[in-house]
Amino acid sequence: GQQLNQSPQSMFIQEGEDVSMNCTSSSIFNTWLWYKQDPGEGPVLLIALYKAGELTSNGRLTAQFGITRKDSFLNISASIPSDVGIYFCAGQGGSEKLVFGKGTKLTVNP
Amino acid sequence: SQTIHQWPATLVQPVGSPLSLECTVEGTSNPNLYWYRQAAGRGLQLLFYSVGIGQISSEVPQNLSASRPQDRQFILSSKKLLLSDSGFYLCAWRITLRRSGELFFGEGSRLTVL
Repeated sequence: GQQLNQSPQSMFIQEGEDVSMNCTSSSIFNTWLWYKQDPGEGPVLLIALYKAGELTSNGRLTAQFGITRKDSFLNISASIPSDVGIYFCAGQGGSEKLVFGKGTKLTVNP
Repeated sequence: SQTIHQWPATLVQPVGSPLSLECTVEGTSNPNLYWYRQAAGRGLQLLFYSVGIGQISSEVPQNLSASRPQDRQFILSSKKLLLSDSGFYLCAWRITLRRSGELFFGEGSRLTVL
């Protein structure tokens, strides 16, 4: 079945630093999604990508749909303490189901 | 606008007791509905999904079952809970027949089985 490798598993950064995380897939996806989950809450959709090569921003967040359709990255610029949480990538190929990465846990030191 | 609610938010149950978690979606019709489980704060495991009333697809053989008695209602159940059923359960929905796979999650239900 389809699998997603998300890296890094965790990151410890200083406030103000930029962050980059990525996901790679063993197969082609038609949609890439990025979510953020705060402790004890459900994941919240940050960015949705639908086309290979697409680059989309949401405030300080930028995500790209890889040209091979097998990868995506998420960048966070000038991190702040409230960026803390777990970030998940998710991809959808030809089926009804999304495939999720295992998450990147971000810690921001003030 | 669409909203999704699930309850209870927190549940502590003894081993062998039954379970019922409920999820409802408002503001949309004929959504696809999903139940996920998240263990230890990481990784989302798809348990069940439904594309319509009475239609349930099970992803993982387990001690749980799901039902969809109404268009916007999705219920996760167990007759006898196991210790391994502890976890954070998330209900989610998405619009059917859209090209995107955007999934919207509920607030989650924390289940502790003792």
